[in-house]
Amino acid sequence: QVQLQESGPGLVKPSETLFLTCAVSGYSISSGYYWGWIRQPPGKGLEWIGSIYHGGSAYYNPSLKSRVTISIDTSKNHFSLRLSSVTAADTAVYYCARARISGDYLSDYWGQGTLVTVSS
Amino acid sequence: SYDLTQPPSVSVSPGQTASITCSGDKLGDKYACWYQQKPGQSPVLVIYQDTKRPSGIPERFSGSNSGNTATLTVSGTQAMDEADYYCQAWDNSTVVFGGGTKLTVL
Repeated sequence: QVQLQESGPGLVKPSETLFLTCAVSGYSISSGYYWGWIRQPPGKGLEWIGSIYHGGSAYYNPSLKSRVTISIDTSKNHFSLRLSSVTAADTAVYYCARARISGDYLSDYWGQGTLVTVSS
Repeated sequence: SYDLTQPPSVSVSPGQTASITCSGDKLGDKYACWYQQKPGQSPVLVIYQDTKRPSGIPERFSGSNSGNTATLTVSGTQAMDEADYYCQAWDNSTVVFGGGTKLTVL
């Protein structure tokens, strides 16, 4: 059974960098699939942040691309999100998910999500 | 950028059929998928490639996509189906989500 678990600070100060990690179990991330991040501000809808393949190729949301880096560590079977220059608008539950891209895009396994609050 | 529009809310009586729409320019030329999200939980994929159901998703969930509109249909709606539903498409190497629809089972 594929499982994903997000981890990282729950509180980040404005202008600083948010860093989250997603640990994957039950599947080797070097075996295929894309690995992505999605966020959801409190009481609002889903927003895709970006996705990365084990080979390193990545896709990013154009609206966040200048501030986002997604990386992957196959030796630790995890991938990470870095979001710079955060503001209160970046407060959200952040989900990691496994994704398949094959003419379409779908996310079939999701982590439980982690709430990140941006506040001084 | 590409936009997907969903009605904010849909209500249905138990046992009846609920339809949730998702509109986007020439959406029928792309694949749509749908996620169900219950309060405090992570989204769950219920429909992909317009009409396919992942393993474990009840048959009462079905989908269609034509023209500018994709539709998620829940037949014989049950109380447990009350949730937020999000459509999603892949456009120009970007994932786009609809704004979400709250399905209320009255």
